[in-house]
Amino acid sequence: SYVLTQPPSVSVAPGQTATIACGANNIERKNVHWYQQRPGQAPVLVIKYDSDRPSGIPERFSGSNSGNTATLTINRVEAGDEADYFCQVWESKSDHPVIFGGGTKLTVL
Amino acid sequence: QITLKESGPTLVEPTQTLTLTCTFSGFSLSNNEVSVGWIRQPPGKALEWLALFYWNDDKRYSPSLKSRLTITKDTSKNQVVLTMTDMDPVDTATYYCVHGPEYPEYYFDYWGQGALVTVSS
Repeated sequence: SYVLTQPPSVSVAPGQTATIACGANNIERKNVHWYQQRPGQAPVLVIKYDSDRPSGIPERFSGSNSGNTATLTINRVEAGDEADYFCQVWESKSDHPVIFGGGTKLTVL
Repeated sequence: QITLKESGPTLVEPTQTLTLTCTFSGFSLSNNEVSVGWIRQPPGKALEWLALFYWNDDKRYSPSLKSRLTITKDTSKNQVVLTMTDMDPVDTATYYCVHGPEYPEYYFDYWGQGALVTVSS
């Protein structure tokens, strides 16, 4: 089955740039979606189709996808960005089409 | 505006059957390409997809849980119901109802607030 690998944690100082990776074999061939989950809350879609920001998501959030790694980038990190971030793909040839990464805890120092 | 809300028991005993209801508004499950699904998250762990109900009445289940899951819809009530049989303490999790807007490759743009279900005797 297709496995998405994320680092368990990323730490960044306020105002700096956070990058969160989502790795998998030839992930560039897939559409990657990203969710933010603040403590005690439901996940929120922050990036769809690799780099498309849904309405209401700040421009500080961006995404890219190349080779074996998709990346979520958060510029000018704020305290409110502290959350878990999950990547997701749709594996069309699988009986288990909805695949999530293990999640990355972003800590704002 | 699209909203979804989960309802059901907060405590289930081992071996019992869990029934969760997702009541939604702001869209119709008869709309082309739309899906409603269930995703769960054990405390402190990652998201796990469970099931999807498509606008065309197709259904898909996680293979590892397929024998225990049933997803149905009640169009008149704008509800999708998930049943999970033979509950076990490892099934303790927050269960989310989600809206998938675009067939065939779904992502989930709206989530319910989640329903915490504890499995314990």
